Amino acid sequence: DQQVKQNSPSLSVQEGRISILNCDYTNSMFDYFLWYKKYPAEGPTFLISISSIKDKNEDGRFTVFLNKSAKHLSLHIVPSQPGDSAVYFCAASANLTPLVFGKGTRLSVIA
Amino acid sequence: DTAVSQTPKYLVTQMGNDKSIKCEQNLGHDTMYWYKQDSKKFLKIMFSYNNKELIINETVPNRFSPKSPDKAHLNLHINSLELGDSAVYFCASSLGTGPAVVYGYTFGSGTRLTVV
Repeated sequence: DQQVKQNSPSLSVQEGRISILNCDYTNSMFDYFLWYKKYPAEGPTFLISISSIKDKNEDGRFTVFLNKSAKHLSLHIVPSQPGDSAVYFCAASANLTPLVFGKGTRLSVIA
Repeated sequence: DTAVSQTPKYLVTQMGNDKSIKCEQNLGHDTMYWYKQDSKKFLKIMFSYNNKELIINETVPNRFSPKSPDKAHLNLHINSLELGDSAVYFCASSLGTGPAVVYGYTFGSGTRLTVV
C-alpha cells in the first residue's frame, strides 16, 4: 500500500516557467514532509522540508506547500532552470519512523 | 569530503551467492538506513539502525542482514541471492530520528546489484 503517492511520473516545463510537482499521502500520522532530488547514478539529495504545523516553507527558488485537510503537498520551483532536470521524490515521516518515499516524478526543464 | 560512501557501486553475481555491500558515513550521524529501489522505482526502507537498535521492515527476507561494527558503518549482507534481489540499494544516514528528520537524510550514491 502506497502511503505516499506521486501520480505524475513525468513533467516537462520550459526554462524560466514554474514547475509544480504534486504529492498525496494517506497516513494522517505523518508529521514531516520532505522533497528529494535525484540525478542519474547518484543518491537522492535533500531539497526542502516542511513540518505538519506549517503550510508553507520557502528556500530560494523552492517552495513547499502543505494542505493537511487534503493530505496533499506540492513543490514549486520558480524560475525553473535546466539544472533542475532530475527525479523528485516526495517523502514523509510519522513520529520516529523512517522516511516513506513516493515513486518520484521526472522533471525535464527545456531550454 | 564528508559524505555517505558505499561500495561497490556495481555488483553482478550469480544466483545462490552471498554478497556484502559496505556503507560508511563520516557525518557524525547516529542513525543509518538501507533502502531498496526496485524496478518500479519505489524507494523502500529495509532497515534502520540507531545506537544499536535495529528496526527491520517486516517484509524484508531474513536472507538480508545488516551488520554495524560501529556507529559510522552499516553493512548489508545478503545470503542465497535471488533474481528478485536485483535492484539499487541505497545507504543513508541522519542525525537521529524524530524532529531531526527535518534536516533530511544523506544518501550514498547507490549500489546496483544484478543477480544473473
